Amino acid sequence: QVQLVESGGGVVQPGRSLRLSCAASGFTFSRYGMHWVRQAPGEGLEWIAVTSSDGRLKYYADSVKGRFTISRDNSRNTLSLQMNSLRAEDTAVYYCAKEFSDYTGFDYWGQGTLVTVSS
Amino acid sequence: QSALTQPASVSGSPGQSITISCTGTSSDVGGHNYVSWYQQHPGKAPKLMIYDVTSRPSGVSSRFSGSKSGNTASLTISGLQAEDEADYYCSSYTSSRIYFFGSGTKVTVL
Repeated sequence: QVQLVESGGGVVQPGRSLRLSCAASGFTFSRYGMHWVRQAPGEGLEWIAVTSSDGRLKYYADSVKGRFTISRDNSRNTLSLQMNSLRAEDTAVYYCAKEFSDYTGFDYWGQGTLVTVSS
Repeated sequence: QSALTQPASVSGSPGQSITISCTGTSSDVGGHNYVSWYQQHPGKAPKLMIYDVTSRPSGVSSRFSGSKSGNTASLTISGLQAEDEADYYCSSYTSSRIYFFGSGTKVTVL
């Protein structure tokens, strides 16, 4: 069965960096676009980044553009999110999500990893 | 960039039907058929309920249906059940090749 397992969350000071990972299994990872979506405590979902199946195309929400970098390693079935210059407003649960098909939505989600940005 | 607009809350009695709206623009909801809907129970990851405006993934109850008119998409839950009480989010692909989520709707079963 499809599994997505995020890791790397924790408490970090403003301005510092953190790298999240998502280990994928149960499907052919290299065939699907992959996304990061976050949810601040008590708030709604916010889409933040996507990488195409081959990793060549990447798009970001304005709120993280220039600070966050999405990447993937298809040989290791791993998705990553490098987060730099973190701000208090980046505090959220970060989910990785598998694309159902091109542009159609996200059919599998991880359990999420909590990132807290605080001094 | 801004989230798609959803009502903050919708409620209904068991057995009734409710509809949740999701309003965007011609650059997102109105520009193509890549609208999806998600159900999220407290403390859980979201679950895909509808994709491509009207399609249901395998395993999702036929009580859930989607539609779209112009810049507004809708999710209808028929035969409301206690287990349907959750937060619901719409999402749309956009002409800028990014995605938006809706602001979220809390569904309460009375």
